[in-house]
Amino acid sequence: EVQLVQSGAEVKKPGESLKISCKGSGYSFTSYWIGWVRQMPGKGLEWMGIIYPGDSDTRYSPSFQGQVTISADKSISTAYLQWSSLKASDTAMYYCARGHPGIAEYYFDYWGQGTLVTVSS
Amino acid sequence: EIVLTQSPATLSLSPGERATLSCGASQSVSSSYLAWYQQKPGLAPRLLIYDASSRATGIPDRFSGSGSGTDFTLTISRLEPEDFAVYYCQQYGSSPTITFGQGTRLEIK
Repeated sequence: EVQLVQSGAEVKKPGESLKISCKGSGYSFTSYWIGWVRQMPGKGLEWMGIIYPGDSDTRYSPSFQGQVTISADKSISTAYLQWSSLKASDTAMYYCARGHPGIAEYYFDYWGQGTLVTVSS
Repeated sequence: EIVLTQSPATLSLSPGERATLSCGASQSVSSSYLAWYQQKPGLAPRLLIYDASSRATGIPDRFSGSGSGTDFTLTISRLEPEDFAVYYCQQYGSSPTITFGQGTRLEIK
């Protein structure tokens, strides 16, 4: 069974750093793109970027380029999303999701349960 | 960037009725690379339809997708109580920016 299990909710202050995780199981983690999607409170879905854990090839939405860093550790089948300096506007639910085995920009067939990030002073 | 506009924003129907949700693109979506997702409160989105008209694994056949170019439709033939949720379309034919529509809320009348 394909599963993506994300790390727990975080409460941070503006200016702090954060790294959240997404652990894949039940499939070949290194063979599928993993993406990140933001959902701000009461709002829709936004595609942030995607990584291929096999070689760490990473693509970003222009809206998120330079704002976050996506990485992966294939030895432990885990993808990451990190911020170096959080802002209140980063408050949102963040989902990881599995993409295609060969194409970066594709639909997502399996999703993690989401990680709620709250940034408040 | 391709902008997706979903209509209506909210659709009020009763169980057993037919639902028709629309997704319009600001420019043609390459190869009909359009997906539909369902999201219920507090849960992650679930893939329903990909490539405009292919049902994802385990999705009931009352869900169907159609369309090409700039106009796409998700149809639910007979609404079940569990179908009331928010629905999003997503295009993935335009690199590097994958975009979602703003969503249609399907509520019980």
